[in-house]
Amino acid sequence: DQQVKQNSPSLSVQEGRISILNCDYTNSMFDYFLWYKKYPAEGPTFLISISSIKDKNEDGRFTVFLNKSAKHLSLHIVPSQPGDSAVYFCAASARTSYDKVIFGPGTSLSVIP
Amino acid sequence: DVKVTQSSRYLVKRTGEKVFLECVQDMDHENMFWYRQDPGLGLRLIYFSYDVKMKEKGDIPEGYSVSREKKERFSLILESASTNQTSMYLCASTTRHHGGNTEAFFGQGTRLTVV
Repeated sequence: DQQVKQNSPSLSVQEGRISILNCDYTNSMFDYFLWYKKYPAEGPTFLISISSIKDKNEDGRFTVFLNKSAKHLSLHIVPSQPGDSAVYFCAASARTSYDKVIFGPGTSLSVIP
Repeated sequence: DVKVTQSSRYLVKRTGEKVFLECVQDMDHENMFWYRQDPGLGLRLIYFSYDVKMKEKGDIPEGYSVSREKKERFSLILESASTNQTSMYLCASTTRHHGGNTEAFFGQGTRLTVV
């Protein structure tokens, strides 16, 4: 059973507009959430994270929102740029599981110039 | 800078061969992981190690084993390679900051083809 879900396999957004990538999780023990970006033939690179004690974290054009009661988080990218086109993975970890990191299936974002 | 290094970028092996994928990290991280990435399936955890000689099965351990004899090195072993193990294999490491950042650092990946 998938503990981290990304229900949209792909997303297309116009350059300059907002990209919103969604993620849902089932394990209430998760206490840390991360977003990774991956280009083809490269390893994933860390983008932004949020602790379960917060509901928002911002870093430049990237903002992550966490709704613990709904077990839902989202990544907002604004404004979107063509270089943002990549696969985005949502991930979660729990201190009670040695901080083992579990990934979702990913969402492929295309930013159209 | 954290560095996670995987021994090969590309590998081609024959069905039935024993395959070793090596991963080394230089940041004294406690945790190390092996994932495989397949289209539409994301990153699936094969095995996880939270300390030397300690290992835990992930979601898809069948057909794989691992070895962690030293803290910096985590090896993935395909006992008898099969064509359905053709995939991109990614190694990662994290430290454990209780209540803090557990960012995972990834290697560049190994594209394994089993023929």
